[in-house]
Amino acid sequence: KQEVTQIPAALSVPEGENLVLNCSFTDSAIYNLQWFRQDPGKGLTSLLLIQSSQREQTSGRLNASLDKSSGRSTLYIAASQPGDSATYLCAVTGSTGANSKLTFGKGITLSVRP
Amino acid sequence: EPEVTQTPSHQVTQMGQEVILRCVPISNHLYFYWYRQILGQKVEFLVSFYNNEISEKSEIFDDQFSVERPDGSNFTLKIRSTKLEDSAMYFCASSDLGFNEQFFGPGTRLTVL
Repeated sequence: KQEVTQIPAALSVPEGENLVLNCSFTDSAIYNLQWFRQDPGKGLTSLLLIQSSQREQTSGRLNASLDKSSGRSTLYIAASQPGDSATYLCAVTGSTGANSKLTFGKGITLSVRP
Repeated sequence: EPEVTQTPSHQVTQMGQEVILRCVPISNHLYFYWYRQILGQKVEFLVSFYNNEISEKSEIFDDQFSVERPDGSNFTLKIRSTKLEDSAMYFCASSDLGFNEQFFGPGTRLTVL
């Protein structure tokens, strides 16, 4: 059974800092990995999708990398801003049949201090 | 930009009552999903739906749950007899292809009293 872990559960950084959020998964047989942002009491906003054949994806100040063989992904946020404060979730899909469901980590709650 | 919408945003019900949560997926998407998030816990998969039938369901999705696509635009989740432990945020998601990016709605907060 796939398990997704995100450590630490919370992170507080000063504005302007570059930071890395980690995600690990137990079964490397994934099809893709998706990073989401969740604001308190709100829905999930998709940030980046990395296919299993890719090593990284970039969107603005965000860069996500994937090392499928070691079961790890990182989300790099450059020049963090207070508006980046939110919970960041990673989720993976299985690689076979109808198994397109997402398995989520618990998320990392990021606080960027002005 | 197309988005997934959900209604209502908040539903309060008494234990044992039936509830229907509604979703309008992105119009050209073919795969639909329900997930839930109990307060402070992980987002959990409930069910996926494609071509008018369930393609996968989790252990949570027991006989009390059902899904339906009653017309070309809506996708619903019904809970027949709600329990206290059904209190959660329920998210609908859709994707154009089964393994492509999933887009989530804003969620319905269900409170069972």
